[in-house]
Amino acid sequence: DGGITQSPKYLFRKEGQNVTLSCEQNLNHDAMYWYRQDPGQGLRLIYYSQIVNDFQKGDIAEGYSVSREKKESFPLTVTSAQKNPTAFYLCASSIGGKKLFFGSGTQLSVL
Amino acid sequence: GQQVMQIPQYQHVQEGEDFTTYCNSSTTLSNIQWYKQRPGGHPVFLIQLVKSGEVKKQKRLTFQFGEAKKNSSLHITATQTTDVGTYFCAGPSFGNEKLTFGTGTRLTIIP
Repeated sequence: DGGITQSPKYLFRKEGQNVTLSCEQNLNHDAMYWYRQDPGQGLRLIYYSQIVNDFQKGDIAEGYSVSREKKESFPLTVTSAQKNPTAFYLCASSIGGKKLFFGSGTQLSVL
Repeated sequence: GQQVMQIPQYQHVQEGEDFTTYCNSSTTLSNIQWYKQRPGGHPVFLIQLVKSGEVKKQKRLTFQFGEAKKNSSLHITATQTTDVGTYFCAGPSFGNEKLTFGTGTRLTIIP
């Protein structure tokens, strides 16, 4: 089945630790996105990539990093510089910014 | 930067009543998309509107795109318990594939 797979579903981070969230898609989409969702709030764009080996900062990129070495994969690293990382992280993909397909998300919490 | 606001933030309705959420963008949009997120789930694409003044219907849901392409609305007729969730609008600015989501309207149904 085609779709987007995010892992892990739940992740815990210790203070000062970097953690990486995985996002894989087999939809052959060029564009991929990372959004952050805080409880009861909307989605805020962290990073997006329109093509392999290229990505742009979204509205809240500080404390995060990404890579896009393969079309299928767009991992997000939450660095120790992100002081308030607890949130629900959603990965999405699309063809040219139309109709985003979302993964099931990763809930990140701080120990 | 681009801002997309939705009102109301929350809406509680009796089952069978109608529901409307409004979306307003600070910039002109090339298109507007609507998504639904069930509690504990991820956003799922509902529809995309492209033309100025466009109206589309999906069963009990009616979507409108404003003449100036800066606002939109979603109206649900005779709500059912399956309509529970948060409804988001989203849109890219012209010449920019970065998709900005609205703040969302959370709908709860009183049986």
